[in-house]
Parts: sequence; C-alpha cells; structure tokens
Amino acid sequence: QSALTQPASVSGSPGQSITISCTGTSSDIGGYNYVSWYQQHPGKAPKLMIYDVSNRPSGVSNRFSGSKSGNTASLTISGLQAEDEADYYCSSYTSTNTLVVFGGGTKLTVL
Amino acid sequence: EVQLLESGGGLVQPGGSLRLSCAASGFSFSSCAMKWVRQAPGKGLEWVSAISASGGSTFYADSVKGRFTISRDNSKNTLYLQMNSLRAEDTAVYYCAKDPTTVITPPDYWGQGTLVTVSS
Repeated sequence: QSALTQPASVSGSPGQSITISCTGTSSDIGGYNYVSWYQQHPGKAPKLMIYDVSNRPSGVSNRFSGSKSGNTASLTISGLQAEDEADYYCSSYTSTNTLVVFGGGTKLTVL
Repeated sequence: EVQLLESGGGLVQPGGSLRLSCAASGFSFSSCAMKWVRQAPGKGLEWVSAISASGGSTFYADSVKGRFTISRDNSKNTLYLQMNSLRAEDTAVYYCAKDPTTVITPPDYWGQGTLVTVSS
C-alpha cells in the first residue's frame, strides 16, 4: 500500500484534457511544496515532469501542469497526444522517518 | 548532460550480498544529494535510501534498514549501495537518482536502472 493515493487508471481521447489526483496527508503533500510528478514509459526510467508542485523542468511541454489544494496534488495534461500514454507517479517529501513517499502510479491510456 | 549509469545488479541467492554502483557525470556530483529508488516487477516506485551531498547524513526505508548501506565517493563521482541479507522481496530494478539540492527534494534525474534478482 503506497503512502500517496492515485487512481489506478485514467483515459482520454487525443486533444482532450485529463487530471490525475494524488492524495496524501498534512505530513507530506499538505505540509510542504516538495511535490513532483514523473512520467514512465514501459521499460524506461522515470522522467521528471513537474517539481515543487507546479514548476516544469526545461524541455517539458507546457501541456503539463501541476497544482495542490490541501492534502491533494493534481497533474493536468491538456491536448492529449498518443505519446503521453504512460504511467505517472506523484512523489512528496514527508516529515515522517520515510523521507520520500510515492503514489502507487496511474496508467494513462490515450484512446 | 546529466548521466547516471548504474551497475552491479544480477542474480543472487537469498541471504546473499550485492554492491550497486552509480557513475555520475554532467553535473557537480559533490553538490547534490542522491537517492536509490527501486521498482519491483510490475509494481510502483519505492524509495530505498538517500545520502546528503557530503555523505555525512544517510537515510533508509524501514524495509532495508540494517541490511543496506548507502555511500558515496565524491572524488570518483560515484554512488554506492551495499545490499546484505537479501530477500526475495528485494527483487527489483534499482534506480540511482539525483536530487536537485538536498535530500528533501524529490529527484530530478534518474539512471536507467540495474536489475537485482534474489532467487535460489
């Protein structure tokens, strides 16, 4: 059981927008702005898509955006493209002795 | 360009040991905290261990505490993970990951991973 809760799967058609939620507690997402989102294609390493809740690394499409409200963080992908089909993981710093927690991952299917 | 290249994975019997290495390049290794994160086959990501930039502070997940040791050699730009008393549940791809600054910041770059299989 992962410390952060994500939906197991989401889907959308090309051009549509989808949002993936990530729910934690006041010890992680709710208490700090160290929330990141990663994209992972099969057999590949995770790639950072969003850091510090809503910042995009250089080179990441502006179709990806992040936000946070209370203990829940969200990743929104607009203008869905076939290449966006992948697994997405959220991550946060936690003040517990775990240090870092991940969500269980969300499989995005582009219909 | 940031590059992280893991090595040292393989097949080991339960109770055995392995030492993973991660050769880093393309950034100031001695200025960045580092992490090991693993992913069991078909499963999600699990943080394993972290080390501060100087190596003076180390952190471990409860699942590996007392069995794994993280270390680094800043003169060689290399991160290590010594894994002892390995169990079947340690079977996973082990990723070396770079932190932007301190250990509290989630990683920004990941290596391609090295597979560790614990089986008799």
